[in-house]
Amino acid sequence: AQSVAQPEDQVNVAEGNPLTVKCTYSVSGNPYLFWYVQYPNRGLQFLLKYITGDNLVKGSYGFEAEFNKSQTSFHLKKPSALVSDSALYFCAVEGMNTGFQKLVFGTGTRLLVSP
Amino acid sequence: GAGVSQTPSNKVTEKGKYVELRCDPISGHTALYWYRQSLGQGPEFLIYFQGTGAADDSGLPNDRFFAVRPEGSVSTLKIQRTERGDSAVYLCASSPGTNTDTQYFGPGTRLTVL
Repeated sequence: AQSVAQPEDQVNVAEGNPLTVKCTYSVSGNPYLFWYVQYPNRGLQFLLKYITGDNLVKGSYGFEAEFNKSQTSFHLKKPSALVSDSALYFCAVEGMNTGFQKLVFGTGTRLLVSP
Repeated sequence: GAGVSQTPSNKVTEKGKYVELRCDPISGHTALYWYRQSLGQGPEFLIYFQGTGAADDSGLPNDRFFAVRPEGSVSTLKIQRTERGDSAVYLCASSPGTNTDTQYFGPGTRLTVL
């Protein structure tokens, strides 16, 4: 079975400071990992993904994430947070390698960036 | 280009009624997914289409839920005899078709069953 854990319901950070949103996963096959962001009353917007190759993945809006196989983690990071980054962030994994992408999502982490 | 669109954006219905939720995927995307997002939770997989066929419907909660994609483009999620527990946001996503492609999500349909 696949699962994703986002251990923090909320992360608070001051504007200009670095931010980290944590994600760990459990899969039976090779993991494909994704981060999405959700703004109020909007659908999910894709930020970045890890499929294979370089463990450090760069994505939209200055976000990046590092795949760590030994720790089964895929934490989302940004060097300098903006107030406009405040939103709900979801980590997702596909690890059944069935030939299509049956994503399993975490419960989400709310990021609050204060001015 | 146009993204994934879903209609209606909001649907309020009474317990026991039938509802249809529509998804228009990105043009050319062969893969289409439906997810359900309950309050305070992440999206949960319902069903996956590759072309016209439902390749995996293992996430549908029971036989009151059914989805079609007759021409390999637009999809309709159908819920019979709605229950209050069906209240959620129903999200549709599409992708070009392989298991490494990115899924692009629509804005969702918020279903409220009174």
